[in-house]
Amino acid sequence: AQSVTQPDIHITVSEGASLELRCNYSYGATPYLFWYVQSPGQGLQLLLKYFSGDTLVQGIKGFEAEFKRSQSSFNLRKPSVHWSDAAEYFCAVGPRSYNNNDMRFGAGTRLTVKP
Amino acid sequence: ETGVTQSPTHLIKTRGQQVTLRCSSQSGHNTVSWYQQALGQGPQFIFQYYREEENGRGNFPPRFSGLQFPNYSSELNVNALELDDSALYLCASSLFTTSYEQYFGPGTRLTVT
Repeated sequence: AQSVTQPDIHITVSEGASLELRCNYSYGATPYLFWYVQSPGQGLQLLLKYFSGDTLVQGIKGFEAEFKRSQSSFNLRKPSVHWSDAAEYFCAVGPRSYNNNDMRFGAGTRLTVKP
Repeated sequence: ETGVTQSPTHLIKTRGQQVTLRCSSQSGHNTVSWYQQALGQGPQFIFQYYREEENGRGNFPPRFSGLQFPNYSSELNVNALELDDSALYLCASSLFTTSYEQYFGPGTRLTVT
């Protein structure tokens, strides 16, 4: 069955510290992989995506993610966290199709940033 | 360029009632997907609409139905509301040929009492 696991429900980091959010997936084949961010009262904003090629992908707001096929993981990283990064982060997977009509999301990781 | 908009922002309904939520897609987008996000959970795919027809559906009962209009806007209808239907309902628009690139609206918060 297709599934996405985000093992950390809540993470707290100090401003300026590095960040890594974990994501593992179970899928029949290598899916398309995404990270979204959701601020309170907002919809989801796409941070980055992986389709193929270089396994280290760069996104907006200084985020990057690394796809590791052997570990079925797609962890999100940021070298130095800013207070404005506090939000909910969702990992998602979708079928390798131009018509992605079955996107699956993880339960999310809430990020708190300490001053 | 106008982003994805949803209405209403908040809604309170009673168990057993029916509700209609609306979504206007981003300019140029012809595909709309709907998601349910329960409190503390990630979004769950309900269904997708393209060319005014349902094109894929998640694990939701038939009392969840939708429409898409010629201008690509969409409605989500839920009949016989249950308490567990309380959630944030998100709409996302995209182009059909690149529907992995979805742009989300701010959502409608539905509370069923």
